[in-house]
Amino acid sequence: DVKVTQSSRYLVKRTGEKVFLECVQDMDHENMFWYRQDPGLGLRLIYFSYDVKMKEKGDIPEGYSVSREKKERFSLILESASTNQTSMYLCASSTPLFEQFFGPGTRLTVL
Amino acid sequence: DQQVKQNSPSLSVQEGRISILNCDYTNSMFDYFLWYKKYPAEGPTFLISISSIKDKNEDGRFTVFLNKSAKHLSLHIVPSQPGDSAVYFCAATKRKGTGNQFYFGTGTSLTVIP
Repeated sequence: DVKVTQSSRYLVKRTGEKVFLECVQDMDHENMFWYRQDPGLGLRLIYFSYDVKMKEKGDIPEGYSVSREKKERFSLILESASTNQTSMYLCASSTPLFEQFFGPGTRLTVL
Repeated sequence: DQQVKQNSPSLSVQEGRISILNCDYTNSMFDYFLWYKKYPAEGPTFLISISSIKDKNEDGRFTVFLNKSAKHLSLHIVPSQPGDSAVYFCAATKRKGTGNQFYFGTGTSLTVIP
């Protein structure tokens, strides 16, 4: 059974803190993605990676960075969290040609 | 710029009837289209997909139709069941580098009334 796991389901941080969101997949997928989901805006792509140490900006990369040192792990970093980064964060992985598999999401609140 | 659009934020259907969810896109370079289903507090799960070279794909109660000339796709659920109540996202992909970039719509919340 395929699996994408995210390090936390719920997270509360303070403005200005550095935040790490971790994602691990066990399917040996090349591609991994970070999205945020906000009401009325759907899923918006922050960053994606199609190989180890490779990364591509998505539609809303500002305020975020990513790290992919190993194939199975893709980390999203908020260098200095702000209240407008309060959101549901979803990680996904896929093969180059097929559908994505999503993790359960991390609900991040920035106070 | 939203390249994939779902213009109906919500839809209510009686149990046993047909649910039709619609999706429009603007980019003719998309080569694959997908529907995802999302329950609250869970990640989206893949439901059904269709290649741009086809116009219909069926999987049990779920059928996706693609009209390339109109840049429109739809998901039909027949018969609808209360367990189908969820948010449905339409997505499209195109190649970027050696991978695929996915573009999602804003979602349609389906409520199936028992």
